[in-house]
Order: sequence, then C-alpha cells, then structure tokens
Amino acid sequence: GENVEQHPSTLSVQEGDSAVIKCTYSDSASNYFPWYKQELGKRPQLIIDIRSNVGEKKDQRIAVTLNKTAKHFSLHITETQPEDSAVYFCAASSSASKIIFGSGTRLSIRP
Amino acid sequence: DAGITQSPRYKITETGRQVTLMCHQTWSHSYMFWYRQDLGHGLRLIYYSAAADITDKGEVPDGYVVSRSKTENFPLTLESATRSQTSVYFCASSEQGAFNEQFFGPGTRLTVL
Repeated sequence: GENVEQHPSTLSVQEGDSAVIKCTYSDSASNYFPWYKQELGKRPQLIIDIRSNVGEKKDQRIAVTLNKTAKHFSLHITETQPEDSAVYFCAASSSASKIIFGSGTRLSIRP
Repeated sequence: DAGITQSPRYKITETGRQVTLMCHQTWSHSYMFWYRQDLGHGLRLIYYSAAADITDKGEVPDGYVVSRSKTENFPLTLESATRSQTSVYFCASSEQGAFNEQFFGPGTRLTVL
C-alpha cells in the first residue's frame, strides 16, 4: 500500500543550530504535503504546508522543500529554540479523503 | 481550542466491551476524520466523513464503526474492544478535506485491559 517514510525518528540539536527532517512518499498522485507539530500531551497542529506546484515555502524560521521527481520533501527549522522541541509529522495527501502520515520525528533542542 | 472537542479524554475498558468516543465541532466543517496514534506509527486514518450521512473507511477501519447524523458530531464506536485497540484517538475536522489544514481535537486516551 501507499506509505510515507520519515527520517530521522529522533533528532537532537544545539539551540541556535538548524534541524532538517526528511520524508519520502510512494503515491505519485500526492499533491498536498503538510507538516504538523505535536507538543507533549497536546494535539497535532499544522505549522506549514506545500502543494505540488510549488518547490519551496518559507514562514519565518520554518521552510519546506518539495522534489516531486524524487518524491521527497523536507522540513527545515533554522535558529532552533527550546519551544521547537516536539514531535513533527509529515504527511502526503492525494485527495480530500486520503492522507498518509509519517511515523514522526522527536526533535529535542539542547540548551 | 474549543472549536473541536472530544469526550471522554481518558477511558479504561475491558476486552469485549463496547466503547463510544465522541467528537464535536462547532465550525460546521464538512469533513471529519478519526485517527489512532501509536508509537512508531504516527497517525493512521480509521474513518472519515465528507458530510452528514456520508462516511467511508480509511487505512485501519477493522473493529470500528462510525456514524454522522449531524454535521457537528462524529462518534467512533469500538463494538467489541480488543487490547490492540489501546491507543490515543484523535478526531479532526477540515472544511475541504485532507488536502487542506485539519484541526485536531485534544485526543482520547483509551486503554483496553
């Protein structure tokens, strides 16, 4: 079946450094790629998303890049801060009713 | 966010019992979703609904039943709970479905003994 692979499963970076999380997807019909952040004990919340007609999108310290040919997309967080510590999920959607999530990356920011 | 709520927040039940998890949203979003979250698996779609009285299976529907008689409510029922259904369950809603932002409820932690 369709799947989304996410790497790494855990990531620890020094405060102020950058963090990169990568995802690959198998469904070539996927055209919407959101990223959700889930703080400990909280609900997932959308932080950024990208559609297949765009190669890169930025929002302050967060950016997402998409390579449709290679079927992979990445989340980049620059100048990391303690509040960036959370679990991040990528996802790929090909329709209003179909979405596959990655298995998550636990990001820890070291002071 | 008071826009989408779930109840109960915590539930302990026994194998074989029927359990219903409730989800309510105040935005009148057309689409609603149920996910389960397990370590190592991320979020997996159980069922979704495109509108009142329209529901369909997601990735892992076995052992679950849903209904949607009103736009704002989307209950999930485990007809005969099994230990493998121990999980955290999230409900979500979206105006235009999975290819737009989904708003998640606070989750229900279900333990099946």
